[in-house]
Amino acid sequence: DAGITQSPRYKITETGRQVTLMCHQTWSHSYMFWYRQDLGHGLRLIYYSAAADITDKGEVPDGYVVSRSKTENFPLTLESATRSQTSVYFCASNRGAGGPSEQFFGPGTRLTVL
Amino acid sequence: EDKVVQSPLSLVVHEGDTVTLNCSYEVTNFRSLLWYKQEKKAPTFLFMLTSSGIEKKSGRLSSILDKKELFSILNITATQTGDSAIYLCAVEPLIQGAQKLVFGQGTRLTINP
Repeated sequence: DAGITQSPRYKITETGRQVTLMCHQTWSHSYMFWYRQDLGHGLRLIYYSAAADITDKGEVPDGYVVSRSKTENFPLTLESATRSQTSVYFCASNRGAGGPSEQFFGPGTRLTVL
Repeated sequence: EDKVVQSPLSLVVHEGDTVTLNCSYEVTNFRSLLWYKQEKKAPTFLFMLTSSGIEKKSGRLSSILDKKELFSILNITATQTGDSAIYLCAVEPLIQGAQKLVFGQGTRLTINP
């Protein structure tokens, strides 16, 4: 099906482990984004990407790594998970420069770090 | 630093009431303001506003932007239990080569029958 998907939808891990959250979109959108959502903070931007092999930091990048080797995929890696990274993570995409500002969101991944 | 502040953070009303949600912002260069609705899943797009004073309307929902006073409001009339959700306001600064959105904390709206 067309759209934006995330996997896994739920993940429980332990402090210090590496975790990768996957994001895939079928619209060929140029821009992709990773947000985390915590109570009282709304959505905060972690990283974004303007195109394949182009990524940039957002508001809260520490402890996260991204890559974008293909336009349709934008994985987010927590290299050594910490309890403060327990959150709901949303991936989003946007058509790109000159297009509408609207971003389309994936269903989210609920991550718990024990 | 670009900033978006929503108020109230939480609101509980009875079905049939009218509600007004507020969003104020401070951004270096403004391009657009967006409203999203988030139920128990991903945020879904409601409106985008770019010009002052123009009302966007969809059924019982409407929104208006004041670029001089740097705020927007989202009105919902004749509320229904299905309107219960978190409403997110986001602003897009005008930054060359970027399409970033800055989100507010959200307003959690609860409609009681």
